[in-house]
Amino acid sequence: QVQLQESGPGLVRPSETLSLTCTVSGGSISPYYWSWIRQPPGKGLEWIGLIYYTGTTNSNPSLKSRVTISVDKSKSQFSLSLSSVTAADTAVYYCTGPHTGVFLNWGRGTLVTVSS
Amino acid sequence: DIQMTQSPSSVSASVGDRVTITCRASQDISSSLAWYQQKPGTAPKLLISSTSRLQSSVPSRFSGSGSGADFTLTINSLQPEDFATYYCQQGNSFPVTFGGGTKVEI
Repeated sequence: QVQLQESGPGLVRPSETLSLTCTVSGGSISPYYWSWIRQPPGKGLEWIGLIYYTGTTNSNPSLKSRVTISVDKSKSQFSLSLSSVTAADTAVYYCTGPHTGVFLNWGRGTLVTVSS
Repeated sequence: DIQMTQSPSSVSASVGDRVTITCRASQDISSSLAWYQQKPGTAPKLLISSTSRLQSSVPSRFSGSGSGADFTLTINSLQPEDFATYYCQQGNSFPVTFGGGTKVEI
């Protein structure tokens, strides 16, 4: 079974860029789609965007101008960058996939706090 | 964007009860509806895909139904491990969207 693990800083300063990486193990990153989802503390789930193994992406319009998702097939990793963060971006960030319209496999999630 | 509205937002129930959660989409999503269970501090777990397809290892007391824009998750004979928050999700079109969640509590 595919396993996913998020990694990255747990604290980001306002106006800076949040950067996370998801490492995929137990399966190939090709030829699948992979997604990022976030959950603010005590709130619901928000889909951030996805990436195909070829590098094609699709992002939530609510975040699109600030989101960059990339993939490194050689390392079986995909990454999320979210620019110009504010306190509203404080959340648990999950990587998931393969994306088939639903989200079967999830990472444990990583809490990212935006604070000075 | 397709809006997903879940009701109720919370429900109090007892072990052995039957619980029904509804999810309404703002437009027709065919059968592209999934349900997730989330317990505190853990990632959501996929229970049901394509409206009614139970994932392997998910107990048969969980069932899903519906079509178009109205969907239901039913938990028959609620067990202690079922106390959690449940989310619906549409996969019919981008952006993928989730319902606001239903907390099933004692």
